[in-house]
Amino acid sequence: AQSVTQLDSQVPVFEEAPVELRCNYSSSVSVYLFWYVQYPNQGLQLLLKYLSGSTLVKGINGFEAEFNKSQTSFHLRKPSVHISDTAEYFCAVSGGYQKVTFGIGTKLQVIP
Amino acid sequence: DVKVTQSSRYLVKRTGEKVFLECVQDMDHENMFWYRQDPGLGLRLIYFSYDVKMKEKGDIPEGYSVSREKKERFSLILESASTNQTSMYLCASSFSGSSHEQFFGPGTRLTVL
Repeated sequence: AQSVTQLDSQVPVFEEAPVELRCNYSSSVSVYLFWYVQYPNQGLQLLLKYLSGSTLVKGINGFEAEFNKSQTSFHLRKPSVHISDTAEYFCAVSGGYQKVTFGIGTKLQVIP
Repeated sequence: DVKVTQSSRYLVKRTGEKVFLECVQDMDHENMFWYRQDPGLGLRLIYFSYDVKMKEKGDIPEGYSVSREKKERFSLILESASTNQTSMYLCASSFSGSSHEQFFGPGTRLTVL
């Protein structure tokens, strides 16, 4: 079985400030990890993914995430947020056979 | 550009009606998925299919069925719609390779009155 915990349901942050969205996972097998973003009234789009290799993963729009196996975490970071980053962010884990488990989402609100 | 399309963005139905939600992908993906998204609950998997005419139950299949007669099309069926099925429904597809990355459609917001 696999699960994902997103520790914050909402994160307000001022424009140009840094942000970290937290994600912890559990899985009995090796995992693939993902962050997706959902803008209002749209579907989800992939922000970044960890499959193997370097634990620091860079994605689109200046986001990055670090895979920490010992802490079973995959936190998402951006050094300076923009108004256009206001969206809902979903962490997801896949342990095999294509089935992906999503977290409940974190709403990022960027304040001008 | 990869594309997953869903037949309707918004749908309003009455309790007891049979509802069809259609999803089409043009990426020749083997796997297709139906999720529902509710505030505070994230995405929950209803059904998925890893091949034509194959289907597997997800975490919340009760009250739903699916059909996959062609590789590019995956339909979600609500046999008798109920108010607790009011939700956002998202379709996704993926290759059977090692990536597991899923591509999503824009979603269908279904309201059952």
